[in-house]
Amino acid sequence: DAKTTQPNSMESNEEEPVHLPCNHSTISGTDYIHWYRQLPSQGPEYVIHGLTSNVNNRMASLAIAEDRKSSTLILHRATLRDAAVYYCILQGGSEKLVFGKGTKLTVNP
Amino acid sequence: NAGVMQNPRHLVRRRGQEARLRCSPMKGHSHVYWYRQLPEEGLKFMVYLQKENIIDESGMPKERFSAEFPKEGPSILRIQQVVRGDSAAYFCASSRRVTGGYNEQFFGPGTRLTVL
Repeated sequence: DAKTTQPNSMESNEEEPVHLPCNHSTISGTDYIHWYRQLPSQGPEYVIHGLTSNVNNRMASLAIAEDRKSSTLILHRATLRDAAVYYCILQGGSEKLVFGKGTKLTVNP
Repeated sequence: NAGVMQNPRHLVRRRGQEARLRCSPMKGHSHVYWYRQLPEEGLKFMVYLQKENIIDESGMPKERFSAEFPKEGPSILRIQQVVRGDSAAYFCASSRRVTGGYNEQFFGPGTRLTVL
């Protein structure tokens, strides 16, 4: 499974946008980019996924670099409820999700 | 529409006992996955099952651990002769079906196993 690199932690203020980066320089052509998040004491929760084009849903936006070697999860207005560990995951050819250490997002009031 | 259900939510066992963790997937889902999260670590894949079949058990420890997903009833993760190192949160996830590379997995709240 291809590897991803994320910052260990990030901080944001409430109601400000947050850009969470992810590097995946060894991504293959068929790998999907998934983002999950895990709130404290809860199971992971799907956020968004994409292949080549940028994606938007009610939770977030996903911006994928043209060469697909990196992507950015965008939370347009962070709330205190967005404080979580965010995982960037590549998936292709196997159904299992390979979680890294993720980015711990702290949202300040 | 109920989400993925896991029980018990908390389980305490003494060394050498057996632990049985149950997972009921979301309605309409026939694929189940088990993950383990050791304290202060990330989630690690253990096993992927479809009804009555183990599809991928590459993350399962070779001994003491087993999993099943019978035709009727929940999926069961069984740990025999538990040791302190088995203390962790065990998460189950389910998905509807496999379609190319897209596979949204819905996670349950987890079972927190403590081995005394």
